[in-house]
This record gives sequence, C-alpha cells and structure tokens, in this order.
Amino acid sequence: GGIITQTPKFLIGQEGQKLTLKCQQNFNHDTMYWYRQDSGKGLRLIYYSITENDLQKGDLSEGYDASREKKSSFSLTVTSAQKNEMAVFLCASRDKEVFFGKGTRLTVV
Amino acid sequence: QQKVQQSPESLIVPEGAMTSLNCTFSDSASQYFAWYRQHSGKAPKALMSIFSNGEKEEGRFTIHLNKASLHFSLHIRDSQPSDSALYLCAVSTGGYKVVFGSGTRLLVSP
Repeated sequence: GGIITQTPKFLIGQEGQKLTLKCQQNFNHDTMYWYRQDSGKGLRLIYYSITENDLQKGDLSEGYDASREKKSSFSLTVTSAQKNEMAVFLCASRDKEVFFGKGTRLTVV
Repeated sequence: QQKVQQSPESLIVPEGAMTSLNCTFSDSASQYFAWYRQHSGKAPKALMSIFSNGEKEEGRFTIHLNKASLHFSLHIRDSQPSDSALYLCAVSTGGYKVVFGSGTRLLVSP
C-alpha cells in the first residue's frame, strides 16, 4: 500500500496572506487532486493534475494556484487568505479509486 | 459542468434497518460511480464503485446504477452503529475529473 502525506496538519494564517499547502504520495499514481471540505459538508474540487507539470482547474479554482513539479508531489497556494475562513483541504491521488491524505486544517484570523 | 447531488442531507435509522442513499448526476457520459465513507475526523475512504448499469453487492452494501435516470444509490442492509458517518457519492467523466456530492450524514441509533 501507499500513503499520502500532507503538510502542515494545521495552518493558521492572517487575512490577505499567501499560504502554501504541500502533498506527497508514494502510490506512484499519475492523477492527483486538491479538494476543499467545509465543516461537515461535501468535497469541492479546486485543482487536479493528470501528470507531472499538468494542471486542470476544478469548480473552485478562483483564489488558488497549484503546482505539480514532480509526479509524487502536488502543492496548493491560497493566494490571499480570507478573514474567518475555516476549512479542511484534502489532497488525493487515484488509480481506480481515490485515496486521500489526512488533510490540512486552515484557519484564517 | 457536472452537477452531483445527494439526498437526503441527513438520516437517522435504527440498528438493523435498511438504509438507502441517493445520488443524481447531470452528465450522461459519466463512467465512474462510487460511494465513499468518512468517519468523523478521518479522511474519506472508498466503499464501492460501479462502471456499468445494474447492481453490485459487497457484503451488506449494494450499489445500484441507472444511467438513463442519471441516478445511483447505496443500500446498507442490517445497518450498524459503526456505519454512522458522512457518505459521499462520486462521479467521473473521462477518467480524470472526479466530482463529489455534498454528502449524506447517517446516524444509526442502537
């Protein structure tokens, strides 16, 4: 089996700050994803990547950038953190099923 | 743009009952249909998936797909308190973009 590691686990940012979330997978999967989950709700797709150096916008890409410089890693940048924003960002990779990391919990003060 | 919707939003069932969860999608070219389960504070995990019309059973869980109706469902037989979780349906068109629904929160009362 493999694992998806997200760092940091918790991230506290200031309003207007640029924040970067990192994700590493050792499944050797080609496709990777970033989803946002607000408290107790469903998952909204921010960005996905079907191979190294590829980026595809999801339904919630505004306010975010992403980078896939290596097959094993996929990073997400919040370009300007919004005050009182609170969400969990989930990184995932896929062959047939989608496998998720444990998430980065973002709080903006 | 693919729209995926789940119903009901939340559900309480007694232990031992049958639970039925629903998912509708908008793109008739969709090819991958799956259910994921997320226990409180944990990451979502795949439960089961189906690729063509019909039914698939794995233990107490059955997934049923009707592409013509743009609908698939998950049925849980003999529901257990450990089944209490957020259930997410997922749909993919073209093999890469996977869109999830807004979730159904299930509580199985002992």
